[in-house]
Amino acid sequence: EIVLTQSPGTLSLSPGERATLSCRASQTITSNYLAWYQQKPGQAPRLLIYGASSRATGIPDRFSGSGSGTDFTLTIRRLEPEDFAVYYCQQYGSSPPRFNFGPGTKVDIK
Amino acid sequence: QVQLLQSGTEVRRPGASVRVSCRASGYTFTNYYIYWVRQAPGQGLEWVGIISTSGGGTVYAEKFQGRVSMTRDTSTDTVYMQLRSLRSDDSAVYYCARVGDSPGDVWGQGTAVIVSS
Repeated sequence: EIVLTQSPGTLSLSPGERATLSCRASQTITSNYLAWYQQKPGQAPRLLIYGASSRATGIPDRFSGSGSGTDFTLTIRRLEPEDFAVYYCQQYGSSPPRFNFGPGTKVDIK
Repeated sequence: QVQLLQSGTEVRRPGASVRVSCRASGYTFTNYYIYWVRQAPGQGLEWVGIISTSGGGTVYAEKFQGRVSMTRDTSTDTVYMQLRSLRSDDSAVYYCARVGDSPGDVWGQGTAVIVSS
C-alpha cells in the first residue's frame, strides 16, 4: 500500500505570499494519479488538482500542481484570504483501487 | 445541478450497525463510481471503500474489511454504506464522492455518525 507523507504540517504565511506544499509517496504513483484537495472547517473537501497537474473545473489558476513518481508539489501563487485551509493529497488509480490520503498541510495566517 | 445528497445524522450504541445513504442527481448515475471517506473529529481524511454503480462491485480498505458493506440501487440512484460492530472510534463524518476521470469532483455534504453508550 502506498503511504503519503505531506510537509510541512503547518505553513504560516501572509496573504499575497506564495505557498509550496509537498506530498511524498512511499512508492511510485503510476500515471501520476495524484490529486490535491482543499478543506475548510465544516465543509466537504474540494478537488483542486488531479493527474498531478490538471486543474479541476472552476479552480483559479493561482493553484498549480507538479511532480511525478514519488514527489509532488501544490503551489498557490499568491495567497488569497479564502485560501487559508487544510490541503490533502490523494493517490488513486492503483490496482486494486485505493484512494489513500496524506495527513494534510494546514495553511494558516501568519 | 450535479449533486450527492446524504442522509442525516445517526446516533448508535457501541456494537450496533449504521447505514448511510448517498443519492445522486443531475448526471447519469451508472457512469461514475462512488467512494466513501470518513473524518474523525479534528483528524484527516480516511478512505473507506468504493463501489461500481453499474456492476455493483466493491473494494474496501483493509481496515474495514468484514465490517463494511456498500450497495447501490439503480432505480433510485442511491448508494448505501453499512458499517457494523460500531465502536466509539467510528464516530466521524462520512462523505460520499463521485469518481470519474477525476477522483472526487463532487462530494456529498457529509453525515455525522455518533457512537456513544
